[in-house]
Amino acid sequence: GAGVSQSPRYKVTKRGQDVALRCDPISGHVSLYWYRQALGQGPEFLTYFNYEAQQDKSGLPNDRFSAERPEGSISTLTIQRTEQRDSAMYRCASSLGGGGSGGTSYEQYFGPGTRLTVT
Amino acid sequence: DAKTTQPNSMESNEEEPVHLPCNHSTISGTDYIHWYRQLPSQGPEYVIHGLTSNVNNRMASLAIAEDRKSSTLILHRATLRDAAVYYCILRDRGGSNYKLTFGKGTLLTVNP
Repeated sequence: GAGVSQSPRYKVTKRGQDVALRCDPISGHVSLYWYRQALGQGPEFLTYFNYEAQQDKSGLPNDRFSAERPEGSISTLTIQRTEQRDSAMYRCASSLGGGGSGGTSYEQYFGPGTRLTVT
Repeated sequence: DAKTTQPNSMESNEEEPVHLPCNHSTISGTDYIHWYRQLPSQGPEYVIHGLTSNVNNRMASLAIAEDRKSSTLILHRATLRDAAVYYCILRDRGGSNYKLTFGKGTLLTVNP
């Protein structure tokens, strides 16, 4: 079946512009995650949704970053007034379930990522 | 989350077994041990996970030390497609286990 998809795959933007990154999770997956990955590093957690509720946004670097998942399916990560330090690979993942006693059983499926370059 | 320690890199030959170690000396009793791998230019993918007993699946085996302070991911016959960064991750069985905390992982090179 279809995996996690993300768009655009590549985004080049000028400093100060806003960008919106989209994630389409696997159908039926309740939980959705955003991660950011710098070159040569492992992904770093940004935020987590359970259905449409944003349960954890502790990893968002500052208030220029926001995310939503209004209908519990597609999610958008928005970065306002982009800066060069925002340049990275942004990855979305989804899973059947999230936290709780059964949470550790749920593997996360990652999308191909959006490579953001801020010039 | 408890910390894991992995070698930066390892090398193997094709069709030979590979043993990827992970130290997690501060693991708690409710931590599961998960392994993910990231192929070049792709997102991470789940490999295997376990709690106390050794585990096998179609991709790999996971051997967990009796004291749970270390574990080893075993690829029984490495192929060129197994060249990737392998991440060992601890996940608490409790409520905040939804996120994955990645370290730098082990870069596995497979020689033909």
